[in-house]
Amino acid sequence: GDSVTQMEGPVTLSEEAFLTINCTYTATGYPSLFWYVQYPGEGLQLLLKATKADDKGSNKGFEATYRKETTSFHLEKGSVQVSDSAVYFCALSSGGYQKVTFGTGTKLQVIP
Amino acid sequence: DADVTQTPRNRITKTGKRIMLECSQTKGHDRMYWYRQDPGLGLRLIYYSFDVKDINKGEISDGYSVSRQAQAKFSLSLESAIPNQTALYFCATRETGSGTEAFFGQGTRLTVV
Repeated sequence: GDSVTQMEGPVTLSEEAFLTINCTYTATGYPSLFWYVQYPGEGLQLLLKATKADDKGSNKGFEATYRKETTSFHLEKGSVQVSDSAVYFCALSSGGYQKVTFGTGTKLQVIP
Repeated sequence: DADVTQTPRNRITKTGKRIMLECSQTKGHDRMYWYRQDPGLGLRLIYYSFDVKDINKGEISDGYSVSRQAQAKFSLSLESAIPNQTALYFCATRETGSGTEAFFGQGTRLTVV
């Protein structure tokens, strides 16, 4: 079945540091890929997405590129802020029913 | 008002009790989902529904049941709650299509004692 593997956290960075959160996936066909973010006490919200190979999703300074050859969708940001502290989930959607499968989440803590 | 509303937000219940978690959405989407979130396990799919007459089990449906009362309402029931069902539960809704965004409720924190 479909699966998403993302790096374990927590990840602790200083403000203005470079962020990478790795995500790889296994899926049949051609999935759509997503990054969701969960701030404390809230539900998940979409951060960015990519629907086909080589697409780059971007939002709020975050970027991720759909790499079919390496089945990866790594999240990057050039300069993190304290307000980026949250849990980040990589996810995919595929198959006839288009179920969404999530990774285990990576907690990011940014310190001033 | 929120696009996806879950009630209650918090609930403590005793082992063996029946409990219902409710979800309603104003997005007009056909697809609705119930997930549970546990530390270190991410979100796992319990049930999903593509319309009122189409309800499907997810990866962890044992011990749960659902009801799609209308396009906008999707309820999750625990027939006889047990402590390992203590978790954060999320309802979500999506428009039809492979690359569409899922909209989540704020979650229900359920504790079974």
